[in-house]
Order: sequence, then C-alpha cells, then structure tokens
Amino acid sequence: KQEVTQIPAALSVPEGENLVLNCSFTDSAIYNLQWFRQDPGKGLTSLLLIQSSQREQTSGRLNASLDKSSGRSTLYIAASQPGDSATYLCAGLGANSKLTFGKGITLSVRP
Amino acid sequence: DVKVTQSSRYLVKRTGEKVFLECVQDMDHENMFWYRQDPGLGLRLIYFSYDVKMKEKGDIPEGYSVSREKKERFSLILESASTNQTSMYLCASSTLPWRANTGELFFGEGSRLTVL
Repeated sequence: KQEVTQIPAALSVPEGENLVLNCSFTDSAIYNLQWFRQDPGKGLTSLLLIQSSQREQTSGRLNASLDKSSGRSTLYIAASQPGDSATYLCAGLGANSKLTFGKGITLSVRP
Repeated sequence: DVKVTQSSRYLVKRTGEKVFLECVQDMDHENMFWYRQDPGLGLRLIYFSYDVKMKEKGDIPEGYSVSREKKERFSLILESASTNQTSMYLCASSTLPWRANTGELFFGEGSRLTVL
C-alpha cells in the first residue's frame, strides 16, 4: 500500500528565502507525482506534475524533482514571498492505480 | 483553462436529509473523483468514475452514492446525512483512462458541508 509522507507539517520562513519542501513515498513503482497548493477554505491548485520517466519539472520560481529509487520528491521554491503562504500537498500515483496524497505542509512566509 | 465547478460552496443540512453535491467540468475529461478532506486525515477518496455511468468505490464509500449520467457532470449523494459527514468535499477531474493515468488532476473550489 502506497504511503506518502510530508514532514514537517508546518514551516515558517522569512521572505526571500529559498526553501525545499519534502515528500516521501513507499511504492517506488510510481507512475507520476503531482504537487498542489491549497489556500485556506479553497480547493487544490495543481502546481507541477512529474511523470515517472522525468526527473524534474519547472514553473517560474518552482522546481519539483522526483527520485524514484530513494522514494523522494522535493518542491523547491526560490525567493519566497508572503503570497506563497499556503498548504502544499504532494500526491503519487502508484502501481495499484491509486492516487495517494500526503497530508501537506503548511508554509508561512513572513514579510 | 480547465474549470471544475462545484455548485455549492457552503451547505448546512440536518441529520437525515438527502444531500446532493454537484460537480461539472468543462474539459471533456474522462475521469472524475469525489474526495473529502478532514483535519488530520488528509484527502480520502470516496468514489471515482472513468466513464459515463461507470463508477468505482474509493476508500470510504459508506454512506455515499454517486451518479454520472453525462460526461461533464458527477454528483455525490448523501442518502441520509449524518453529523460525521460534516466535511470539505472536493471534486476533481483528469484526462486519459484512469488505469493508464498520466494526466494532471484538477480540483474544484470545494463544498463545505455542515450537518447539524
């Protein structure tokens, strides 16, 4: 059974800092991994999708990597801004065709 | 842009009432999903559908049913609402057949249901 873990559950950083959010998964036979952002009381917004054949994806200040052998994905946020404050979730599609979500990391960027 | 629209953002219902949550997507996606999200438990899959009139149970289908009569619309039904169904309900859709899914998942804004 795929398990997806995001540690820590919360993170607070000063504005301008580069930061890395971690996501680990137990089933290395992963088909894809997706990163989402969720603002309070809202739905999830897709940020980046990495297919199993890819190592990373980039969008603006965001870069996501995937290392299947170690069961890890990271979301790198460059030059963080207060507007980046939100909860970030990762989700992996495993060999059993089930999408498993982590519980998210709540990020606070202090002005 | 892909748009997934959930008809109600906030609902308040009484125990025993029948509740309908509607979801519509405008990108001709084959797959549609209903999740619920609770503090400390994360997102849990209730039901999903990979084609019209097709449905499969997710991890927590008890107390729920679904309907997909048209490709763009996926409804979640609570036959007799109970207080433990108070939650945030999220609808999502994605491209490609689910069994070979490499498609991106798109979510609606969510429906916050309170059952009194």
